[in-house]
Amino acid sequence: QQQVKQSPQSLIVQKGGISIINCAYENTAFDYFPWYQQFPGKGPALLIAIRPDVSEKKEGRFTISFNKSAKQFSLHIMDSQPGDSATYFCAASIPRYSGAGSYQLTFGKGTKLSVIP
Amino acid sequence: DTGVSQNPRHKITKRGQNVTFRCDPISEHNRLYWYRQTLGQGPEFLTYFQNEAQLEKSRLLSDRFSAERPKGSFSTLEIQRTEQGDSAMYLCASSSGTGIQYFGAGTRLSVL
Repeated sequence: QQQVKQSPQSLIVQKGGISIINCAYENTAFDYFPWYQQFPGKGPALLIAIRPDVSEKKEGRFTISFNKSAKQFSLHIMDSQPGDSATYFCAASIPRYSGAGSYQLTFGKGTKLSVIP
Repeated sequence: DTGVSQNPRHKITKRGQNVTFRCDPISEHNRLYWYRQTLGQGPEFLTYFQNEAQLEKSRLLSDRFSAERPKGSFSTLEIQRTEQGDSAMYLCASSSGTGIQYFGAGTRLSVL
């Protein structure tokens, strides 16, 4: 059972455009929602993250929008650049041990973003 | 470099052989995670350590897999009697109490 569903699988955006990637989750116990960026041959790198007590978080060109009632969250990349071309993963986690904070991450399947000049 | 370090970066082995991967976390991080990533998929959780204690294991971690973290520093992941289905990228991540996980570049395993 896939607990985090991500769409689209791939996305092509013109330079300067807005890239939007969506995720939906099922488990209401999730309380931490990060987005990771991965380039070929590299490990995932944390881009931005949000907790469910806020509806939006912005860092530079990257914004997370969070809708708790709909159990959905999305990543918006403004003014997309060719250097943003990578695979993006949404994820979610639950702290499994009080005080120990396992924060095991459940990932979506990823979105391959291509920004064309 | 103070990031998460994984060795080797690539490993090619024949089916049935044993392999061992090493992960050196960020030095002040007491939490360490192993994930597996297959082509076109997101990483899948395998196991979690807090200091030297292995506190959580996924059902993906079959009996052929074993992980250790002696003295709460580096960690090793061993796969015995490798199968072709074990071919994947094995990722290590570490975190402090914030829960933010920082990933290494991974070890790509190819089982022939």
